[in-house]
Amino acid sequence: NAGVMQNPRHLVRRRGQEARLRCSPMKGHSHVYWYRQLPEEGLKFMVYLQKENIIDESGMPKERFSAEFPKEGPSILRIQQVVRGDSAAYFCASSPLTGNEKLFFGSGTQLSVL
Amino acid sequence: KQEVTQIPAALSVPEGENLVLNCSFTDSAIYNLQWFRQDPGKGLTSLLLIQSSQREQTSGRLNASLDKSSGRSTLYIAASQPGDSATYLCAVRRDGNTGKLIFGQGTTLQVKP
Repeated sequence: NAGVMQNPRHLVRRRGQEARLRCSPMKGHSHVYWYRQLPEEGLKFMVYLQKENIIDESGMPKERFSAEFPKEGPSILRIQQVVRGDSAAYFCASSPLTGNEKLFFGSGTQLSVL
Repeated sequence: KQEVTQIPAALSVPEGENLVLNCSFTDSAIYNLQWFRQDPGKGLTSLLLIQSSQREQTSGRLNASLDKSSGRSTLYIAASQPGDSATYLCAVRRDGNTGKLIFGQGTTLQVKP
């Protein structure tokens, strides 16, 4: 059973470009979470999604950031018009159900904005 | 607003020592608490999960305790090894309806051979 798969592992973008980060949850998991780890800071919650629904996006910046988890395919975190402050490690986690299950994390995508 | 603090921020010990990592949280109304390990450039590996009704959990050389009333958890590592070198994160979950976790800043552990 493969773990949470994130790609790409590293992504380099110039200011103003778009970044797309992908996350395939573990098999059988229908809940996906995105977290961001800025340099010298802890992990911060961004968004919680179930298939075709955004459940909690309280940690998402209001502008330029969006997330989706379609019926088919991976979850996508999209950052438009990236700025240097978006440089961070973005982690995806999945769980089978809400409740007391553990979250399983992917290896992350390191975004670097030049 | 829930805040999670981990002390110390960094720790260096010789191989074989027993050690304790501390985690404190400001709001005792938690659903569970989870300890993770993060290796440089890698994702998080879940180590132990303690439900709010539990006092401790054990896995191998690791033991995590939870005192909800005082807002504290400790991770005890017995007979430390160089392979234990990593950053250890604790995270609290507010309720069972969401996997939203509040993380501490982590303790970076170095175990010297």
